[in-house]
Parts: sequence; structure tokens; C-alpha cells
Amino acid sequence: GAGVSQSPRYKVTKRGQDVALRCDPISGHVSLYWYRQALGQGPEFLTYFNYEAQQDKSGLPNDRFSAERPEGSISTLTIQRTEQRDSAMYRCASSLAPPSQGSYEQYFGPGTRLTVT
Amino acid sequence: AQSVAQPEDQVNVAEGNPLTVKCTYSVSGNPYLFWYVQYPNRGLQFLLKYITGDNLVKGSYGFEAEFNKSQTSFHLKKPSALVSDSALYFCAVRAWGRGSTLGRLYFGRGTQLTVWP
Repeated sequence: GAGVSQSPRYKVTKRGQDVALRCDPISGHVSLYWYRQALGQGPEFLTYFNYEAQQDKSGLPNDRFSAERPEGSISTLTIQRTEQRDSAMYRCASSLAPPSQGSYEQYFGPGTRLTVT
Repeated sequence: AQSVAQPEDQVNVAEGNPLTVKCTYSVSGNPYLFWYVQYPNRGLQFLLKYITGDNLVKGSYGFEAEFNKSQTSFHLKKPSALVSDSALYFCAVRAWGRGSTLGRLYFGRGTQLTVWP
């Protein structure tokens, strides 16, 4: 079946512009997660949702970052007034059930490579 | 606080030889432990997980991992390496129980495995 999809796969933007990154989880997956991965590092947690409710946003680096999942399916991660330090791979993942219900693994999408010039 | 250490940036092994990729972790409470593999230009792929029970966990593509509670380790192993196993491997941990931070996976920095013919 279809996996997690993300768009765009590559995004180049100028400093100060806003960007919106989209994630389409595996059909039927309840939970959706956003991570950021710098070169040479492992993914770093940003935020996650159960259905449409944002559960934990403590990983968002500052208030320029926000995420939503209004209908409990597709999610958008928005970065306002981008800065060069925001350049990274942004990865989305989904899991069948909420983490409170067990050890459900997270399935990752291909990522969006964001470059801020 | 949760954390993962992968002490080796690179592991090189000859095809047909056994391989080990090391991982140690720190977590409050009991851990769920995961291994993911990343191929170039692709997302992270789930390999295997430890929940509870048997210390030796079997996963995809002939990989297995050994959980050692006293050493807080979860090393990835394979009895006979293939050239196609060459990739970047990530160990990850999360706590189980209840709480809003349960969703986040903590990743190591990754270990580049190279299997030469």
C-alpha cells in the first residue's frame, strides 16, 4: 500500500519567506509526527498529533514554527520568516495507533529538503 | 531525559562476515527500542523493535538485535553481511507509559555501514 508521502520533496526559499510543508500519512494511521534532521545527525522530534489534536509541541524550536492537522489526516508544518538555520531535512512519520496504546512503530516519509538562501 | 548513543560513525565489514552496529540508551522507565535504516534519497525504514520479553529480537532482511538491560544496550547484528546492507543505521528509543511526550523518538546520530565485496 501507499506509504507516507511528503511534498514538496525539495524547497529552496529566500530568507524571510514563509514555507509550508505537507505530509500525507498512511491511510488509517491515527498519529502523525514531525521531525527535523540536520546533516550528519539523527532526526530530532518537533511535534505530533493524535487525530487532529496536537499532543506535544515542545520540540518546535520557536514560535516561527507551527503545525496543524485539521481533519486528522494531512498535516502541514509552517515555518514563518525563514532563516538560514532552518535549512534541514524535514521528515514526517505516522503510526497506526497513539503511542499511549503501545509500541507502534513510526513509518517515515521521504522527507522535504529545505534550503534557505 | 532520554538519549541514544551510537559510538561508531562508521562500521566496515566484508561480505559474508558477521556485523554489529552498537547502540546504548538512557531512558526514564522502561524503553521501547527501535532500529531504522536509511538508504540514500529515501526515508527511514523500520527494521525491528524491542518491547519486552526475549532479549533477542528478529527483524527484516535477516537483521536481529540484542537487548541488554544491565548494559542499557541494543546492538544490531546480522550473521552474514551483504553488500546491499550498506546504508545508514539509526537506533531510537522512547519511553512507554502515559504522558504527552510519549510520541517522541530519540535518535542516535547514525552509523554508516559499508559492506565491501
